[in-house]
Amino acid sequence: DARVTQTPRDKVTEMGQEVTMRCQPILGHNTVFWYRQTMMQGLELLAYFRNRAPLDDSGMPKDRFSAEMPDATLATLKIQPSEPRDSAVYFCASARQGLLNTEAFFGQGTRLTVV
Amino acid sequence: GNSVTQMEGPVTLSEEAFLTINCTYTATGYPSLFWYVQYPGEGLQLLLKATKADDKGSNKGFEATYRKETTSFHLEKGSVQVSDSAVYFCAYNTDKLIFGTGTRLQVFP
Repeated sequence: DARVTQTPRDKVTEMGQEVTMRCQPILGHNTVFWYRQTMMQGLELLAYFRNRAPLDDSGMPKDRFSAEMPDATLATLKIQPSEPRDSAVYFCASARQGLLNTEAFFGQGTRLTVV
Repeated sequence: GNSVTQMEGPVTLSEEAFLTINCTYTATGYPSLFWYVQYPGEGLQLLLKATKADDKGSNKGFEATYRKETTSFHLEKGSVQVSDSAVYFCAYNTDKLIFGTGTRLQVFP
């Protein structure tokens, strides 16, 4: 049963600490998306990758957020330093993008609380 | 710019009522259109999709038709159940996947 796996599921950290969220996309998917979900802003696209290369990270605060794909089986989203306003649920999704754009499959999310 | 607009929620219905959640999009080209559903504490799941004009996506009694002339993809269900209570997201995909703000549906017995 192929699925997107995100770790950790929950993270509570103090303001100023570094946070790293990890995502294992579905094998064979060439596109990975990172989203942030809050009550106020809804579902925001932070960044996405195609074949491990970043295509668009314009939704991400550049001064503290960074996203990478060290290999095809791992995507990471890092916040350094974290702030209370970063508290949200962060979702990773993967897709096999081709000539016909297909649906994305979502992980269960990482619920981040910065105190 | 490209965007998706959904009706504001919450939508509150009694069981067996008819459901419509409106969705319109602004995009260049010919996007694929999707409805996703999110149950409490979970990630988003694909509910249905349509990849070209006049296509009808359907699943679990839900339907939506890709209307290019009105740039719409409204979600409908003839008879909702309590178990349909969730947040519903309209989305389109030309290269990156863009979502609407979500519409919360609450169905009461």
